[in-house]
Amino acid sequence: KQEVTQIPAALSVPEGENLVLNCSFTDSAIYNLQWFRQDPGKGLTSLLLIQSSQREQTSGRLNASLDKSSGRSTLYIAASQPGDSATYLCAVHFEGGTSYGKLTFGQGTILTVHP
Amino acid sequence: EAQVTQNPRYLITVTGKKLTVTCSQNMNHEYMSWYRQDPGLGLRQIYYSMNVEVTDKGDVPEGYKVSRKEKRNFPLILESPSPNQTSLYFCASSLRASGNGIQYFGAGTRLSVL
Repeated sequence: KQEVTQIPAALSVPEGENLVLNCSFTDSAIYNLQWFRQDPGKGLTSLLLIQSSQREQTSGRLNASLDKSSGRSTLYIAASQPGDSATYLCAVHFEGGTSYGKLTFGQGTILTVHP
Repeated sequence: EAQVTQNPRYLITVTGKKLTVTCSQNMNHEYMSWYRQDPGLGLRQIYYSMNVEVTDKGDVPEGYKVSRKEKRNFPLILESPSPNQTSLYFCASSLRASGNGIQYFGAGTRLSVL
């Protein structure tokens, strides 16, 4: 079964810390992996997309890595800010399956950055 | 601005009263889909559409219908809503289903069925 797991479920850090969010997936046959941010009462904002052939992607203070063979991805957030507080979701587009284009989501990591 | 727009954002209804949640995208995307998000269950796909007039079931299609008569619109229809359909719903779109592109999500529709 194709599954995505995120650890930790929740994380609280002081402002300015660098932090890592983890995502693992059960099948290495993937098209891509996407990290999203979800704010309360709002939709999902795409942060980074890593194609299957890529090892990492960077956007500002965010860096996402992908190790397909071990079924892992990490989202690194540098110099965290209170505005980074949100739920972070990892979603994998697996190859195969009967549902085209479907993203399989992890349960998310709730991040709180306190001043 | 590239957008996926859902309406309404919030909806309270009663069991059995038909409703439609609209979804529209302005990016000329071929692929669109619907998800529901529930505590402890995460996001699950309800239906998807590869292109105009091409739709298919996702993981949890029971109690829902969709149509894709125009490329930009992909409404979600609940013919006879039940309380177990109380959830947060998201519409998403991407250029194609082939897996190369970013999927964009709408702001969500919070539905309560009493």
